[in-house]
Amino acid sequence: KAGVTQTPRYLIKTRGQQVTLSCSPISGHRSVSWYQQTPGQGLQFLFEYFSETQRNKGNFPGRFSGRQFSNSRSEMNVSTLELGDSALYLCASSLDGQSSYEQYFGPGTRLTVT
Amino acid sequence: SQKIEQNSEALNIQEGKTATLTCNYTNYSPAYLQWYRQDPGRGPVFLLLIRENEKEKRKERLKVTFDTTLKQSLFHITASQPADSATYLCALPTGGYNKLIFGAGTRLAVHP
Repeated sequence: KAGVTQTPRYLIKTRGQQVTLSCSPISGHRSVSWYQQTPGQGLQFLFEYFSETQRNKGNFPGRFSGRQFSNSRSEMNVSTLELGDSALYLCASSLDGQSSYEQYFGPGTRLTVT
Repeated sequence: SQKIEQNSEALNIQEGKTATLTCNYTNYSPAYLQWYRQDPGRGPVFLLLIRENEKEKRKERLKVTFDTTLKQSLFHITASQPADSATYLCALPTGGYNKLIFGAGTRLAVHP
């Protein structure tokens, strides 16, 4: 099976712009979670989508949003970018989170905000 | 609030020795605990999951223990190899099925 894929792998944006990141989960996986990783804060949970619905949410401002499509692919959007949004954004998929808890991470999207 | 602590300093060991990494948590009673490995520039890779009613779990050269009284998990790599060099993260579920909080990770360096 192909692993979790994320596009783009690298992105440079200017403060104030918005950005959309994409994630394709492992085939058959219905849950997609997003994490932000920075040297200072480590890995932090952003949100999780299951069957096109946001099921869990972390403590991030409303500038961070996401959605999931019927094929389980997911996108996350960050509006009005700030310098502090520079991070590695990781997407993880799992079967459903109820009977199988392992999460499979993608390679991440490295976002740099200048 | 819930908190996870891992040894923040790097762990340097000699090839062939056993590496032991620690994960402590507070204000929390998780149903399970997970360990992941992360290489530079890559996403974490799932290694092992141990449930609250399990004391120990093994997978090849890996062993995880879970002491819910001490609120601590130990992660062991026996007969360590340079290829085991990476950052190891522990993670606990909080408030939702796939809502994980991660420790800061411990960087392991295995020297030939």
